[in-house]
Amino acid sequence: SAVISQKPSRDICQRGTSLTIQCQVDSQVTMMFWYRQQPGQSLTLIATANQGSEATYESGFVIDKFPISRPNLTFSTLTVSNMSPEDSSIYLCSVDFGRTTGELFFGEGSRLTVL
Amino acid sequence: SQKIEQNSEALNIQEGKTATLTCNYTNYSPAYLQWYRQDPGRGPVFLLLIRENEKEKRKERLKVTFDTTLKQSLFHITASQPADSATYLCALRGRGAGTALIFGKGTTLSVSS
Repeated sequence: SAVISQKPSRDICQRGTSLTIQCQVDSQVTMMFWYRQQPGQSLTLIATANQGSEATYESGFVIDKFPISRPNLTFSTLTVSNMSPEDSSIYLCSVDFGRTTGELFFGEGSRLTVL
Repeated sequence: SQKIEQNSEALNIQEGKTATLTCNYTNYSPAYLQWYRQDPGRGPVFLLLIRENEKEKRKERLKVTFDTTLKQSLFHITASQPADSATYLCALRGRGAGTALIFGKGTTLSVSS
């Protein structure tokens, strides 16, 4: 396993602003993913953060709204742009160490509240 | 589209009993089925996985079964304890490296003493 640190752990934001969430892993990992967990809902994959190239987004998520960076094998950021109350959610960074079984390890999440 | 259903949102049992959680899925043929535990305000923690060619897996007080014909997994916690109270998530993964996990909504288990 690894230590996965997310910052901020929580924040309250104003409508129309943007916030960047950071995810730092204490070892190099093959894959990094960003999930969203809305209240009472399952985890929904936003995108796969690819090292050195553009992220791969899932249906319903676009780069303009959720730009992602992954400059190296241990760090990624997710920005939630032009926020609205509907973006209030927990955002989770997760990592895959490349095992064939594909279990994921998660950060503690970033709880965003948009007013 | 792919769909995962976990039997109920909440399950309440008494300490010492066996908790059984159900995960059903449609329109998918997973290579692996995984179970995670999530405590309030925390990220999910991996518990156990079972492969498509396995029927049953055990780990301490946990047991998972996988029926690919019924498209169903059962997750059992025997001799349950109040510390087992949490939300349990079922997740599916297909074949191929980098295939993303698809999660169910979870079942919140409460074990009373």
